[in-house]
Amino acid sequence: NAGVTQTPKFQVLKTGQSMTLQCAQDMNHEYMSWYRQDPGMGLRLIHYSVGAGITDQGEVPNGYNVSRSTTEDFPLRLLSAAPSQTSVYFCASSYTGEQYFGPGTRLTVT
Amino acid sequence: DAKTTQPPSMDCAEGRAANLPCNHSTISGNEYVYWYRQIHSQGPQYIIHGLKNNETNEMASLIITEDRKSSTLILPHATLRDTAVYYCIVRVSYNTNAGKSTFGDGTTLTVKP
Repeated sequence: NAGVTQTPKFQVLKTGQSMTLQCAQDMNHEYMSWYRQDPGMGLRLIHYSVGAGITDQGEVPNGYNVSRSTTEDFPLRLLSAAPSQTSVYFCASSYTGEQYFGPGTRLTVT
Repeated sequence: DAKTTQPPSMDCAEGRAANLPCNHSTISGNEYVYWYRQIHSQGPQYIIHGLKNNETNEMASLIITEDRKSSTLILPHATLRDTAVYYCIVRVSYNTNAGKSTFGDGTTLTVKP
């Protein structure tokens, strides 16, 4: 049981490039979420999903797309990277209220 | 979800109890209190949650006041590894919002030798 896994751990992008951050969970959780955390700040919700095929926007969705084709996977796509998207990205899953977080992806956009 | 207020930082001596307060004066009757912690840039870790009764698990105890407007997370014997940012979150459990949590700035707990 690996819990929540995220890849890659680190990524450097140039402005305008696109990429996909991967998130997978093996706990059969219905709910999955993406957060970003800027230095010295709390987590902010980007997008979340309440089940396969269902997604919704969080607090800071602009510049990001998500889809949920399976229960296990919830990838986050950066459409055209900007320096303002430099952050640490955390994926989480939950069945009820308590969320389980992955180790994070540290993204730098130059 | 109800808003929470936490002190920005606290210190605690190693081996002593760490008592972290949280104010949630606008909490609704169906909202739970959740606590998470984040150790140095790792992903947040769930600690404990409760509705109105006090709760205890292997990591901590949660004391919720009778009017439910505040709570205290207690780490009974703090160690250096408990140094982290602690987040108090109030949210409804068991519904379609289970994937959403509003994280504030939390309390930075520093355990000192």
